[in-house]
Amino acid sequence: NAGVTQTPKFRILKIGQSMTLQCTQDMNHNYMYWYRQDPGMGLKLIYYSVGAGITDKGEVPNGYNVSRSTTEDFPLRLELAAPSQTSVYFCASSSRGRTDTQYFGPGTRLTVL
Amino acid sequence: AQSVTQPDIHITVSEGASLELRCNYSYGATPYLFWYVQSPGQGLQLLLKYFSGDTLVQGIKGFEAEFKRSQSSFNLRKPSVHWSDAAEYFCAVAARIPYSGGGADGLTFGKGTHLIIQP
Repeated sequence: NAGVTQTPKFRILKIGQSMTLQCTQDMNHNYMYWYRQDPGMGLKLIYYSVGAGITDKGEVPNGYNVSRSTTEDFPLRLELAAPSQTSVYFCASSSRGRTDTQYFGPGTRLTVL
Repeated sequence: AQSVTQPDIHITVSEGASLELRCNYSYGATPYLFWYVQSPGQGLQLLLKYFSGDTLVQGIKGFEAEFKRSQSSFNLRKPSVHWSDAAEYFCAVAARIPYSGGGADGLTFGKGTHLIIQP
């Protein structure tokens, strides 16, 4: 049982480039989340999904897009990368929503130069 | 809007000593509270959670936390720390996160407390 997996682990982008951060969970969870963690700060919610085909914005969605075509996958797309998007990105999933335990992936460390 | 405050950015404790990490929350309704631990280079792992009932909750790795509504606190404790407990600890509240145009479901995190264990 792999839980929540994220790829890649590390990535360096140039300003203006685009990329997709992959997230997959094998727990058949309906809810999935993307957070970013900046140094010395807690995690902030970027986007979340309550099921396949349903996504919604979180606290800091600007510069990102998501899709949820299957229960297992929840990719995060960065368009026109900016230095302000340098961060560690975590994907998480839960069974029953925000009051349920969220299970986190290992994270993707992204640097935009 | 809800918020979580962890007053201590860094805490240093000797191995075998007791530990208490502070967490204060601000939330209008009954809070759903969590403590997560993040080891270096790893994702977050749930230590324990409080939804209702007994205000003293037990978690994994020998941790416990006490919910005190009158003080809006949810402090994490461990009687005797081990070197492997060195990590970043996050307190979080499950809430509707307000943003312009509506709101979003998710966890609101504190900024974390970095725990250092001295031999």
